[in-house]
Amino acid sequence: DTGVSQDPRHKITKRGQNVTFRCDPISEHNRLYWYRQTLGQGPEFLTYFQNEAQLEKSRLLSDRFSAERPKGSFSTLEIQRTEQGDSAMYLCASSFSASFEQFFGPGTRLTVL
Amino acid sequence: GQSLEQPSEVTAVEGAIVQINCTYQTSGFYGLSWYQQHDGGAPTFLSYNGLDGLEETGRFSSFLSRSDSYGYLLLQELQMKDSASYFCAVRDGAGGATNKLIFGTGTLLAVQP
Repeated sequence: DTGVSQDPRHKITKRGQNVTFRCDPISEHNRLYWYRQTLGQGPEFLTYFQNEAQLEKSRLLSDRFSAERPKGSFSTLEIQRTEQGDSAMYLCASSFSASFEQFFGPGTRLTVL
Repeated sequence: GQSLEQPSEVTAVEGAIVQINCTYQTSGFYGLSWYQQHDGGAPTFLSYNGLDGLEETGRFSSFLSRSDSYGYLLLQELQMKDSASYFCAVRDGAGGATNKLIFGTGTLLAVQP
């Protein structure tokens, strides 16, 4: 399968714990995005990488959230000191620079108890 | 602020035609995309309009009027498998062609036999 993959698919954690998610984009894609989606809502932009550079971060993203893309390939999203409000589906997408089409992964569903 | 308005639910019968409208108000606009998302699945790209007019892709067509900040997705010859959520999304290129997507709240389409 050459699509976008995410790991884990599901994560249950207790409030206050740290969690880390991984995204492997389509290999030729230089742009990588993270979105968050809650039930009944559309995906909400979190952050964006072009190659290894993080070029934009949503103002909605608190300092508990950090993302990396160390070699311009896979990316990780870490949430520190999780809160119940962090419960959501975390989606990763990738694209070519000039393309308007983004390819989404299956998402990681986070539940914070 | 930035907002994209869509009807929350639409119901139609197999074989019929349905139109899902989207009105937007965003600070940057570099095109309107449509994504389909089945329950529990990842958003998948359907169509994109960068300029005014109609784009046709098989049973799906999408229309854009930039002067009216309005677009729609037209689904013809509806099939049961078209039951899903449909999201319009503005490509926000402000600040250096980020290409991030700002999604609407989504329209849940139910196709009945």
